[in-house]
Amino acid sequence: EDQVTQSPEALRLQEGESSSLNCSYTVSGLRGLFWYRQDPGKGPEFLFTLYSAGEEKEKERLKATLTKKESFLHITAPKPEDSATYLCAVQATGTASKLTFGTGTRLQVTL
Amino acid sequence: GAVVSQHPSWVICKSGTSVKIECRSLDFQATTMFWYRQFPKQSLMLMATSNEGSKATYEQGVEKDKFLINHASLTLSTLTVTSAHPEDSSFYICSARDTSGASYGEFFGPGTRLTVL
Repeated sequence: EDQVTQSPEALRLQEGESSSLNCSYTVSGLRGLFWYRQDPGKGPEFLFTLYSAGEEKEKERLKATLTKKESFLHITAPKPEDSATYLCAVQATGTASKLTFGTGTRLQVTL
Repeated sequence: GAVVSQHPSWVICKSGTSVKIECRSLDFQATTMFWYRQFPKQSLMLMATSNEGSKATYEQGVEKDKFLINHASLTLSTLTVTSAHPEDSSFYICSARDTSGASYGEFFGPGTRLTVL
């Protein structure tokens, strides 16, 4: 059974204090690993898809990396507007297969 | 690109009535759409997979006669909550999968807040 574990559960950073969120996964065969951002009362916003170990993707202050067992979401010099819940999900091989989500990391960035 | 809309964004209804929620992929075609529900401070729970032109696949424990799903076209899926009760109150979110090469991903709608009185 596919599993995704995210840590920490919650993270509080000061503005400008860089950090990383972890997503550990087990999957029979990885089709893709997805990162999303979710604000309260809204649907998840797509950030990245990673396909294979060693792959990296960047968007503004966010950088996602992937190994065979885990993915990291690095946040460089965060701002208060980066406060949100960050969700990680994996999709097993087979384009119709569902996503398996982690429980998320709630990030709060303060001034 | 890869925009998914949902309508309505919120709905309040009386117990026993039925409510229909629409999910549309606005700039891509989606043979597969998904319906989730989310309780406060919890992650998304997949309810069913909606396949264009065929019957939906429901997750274990989800009543298919209560949550009717129709995927009539490559851009529209609907979820009807039949004979809604207060315990059906939740945040319902749809997603659509874009498998067109470079933009591969699963994209979510903004969600629908259902409150059953």
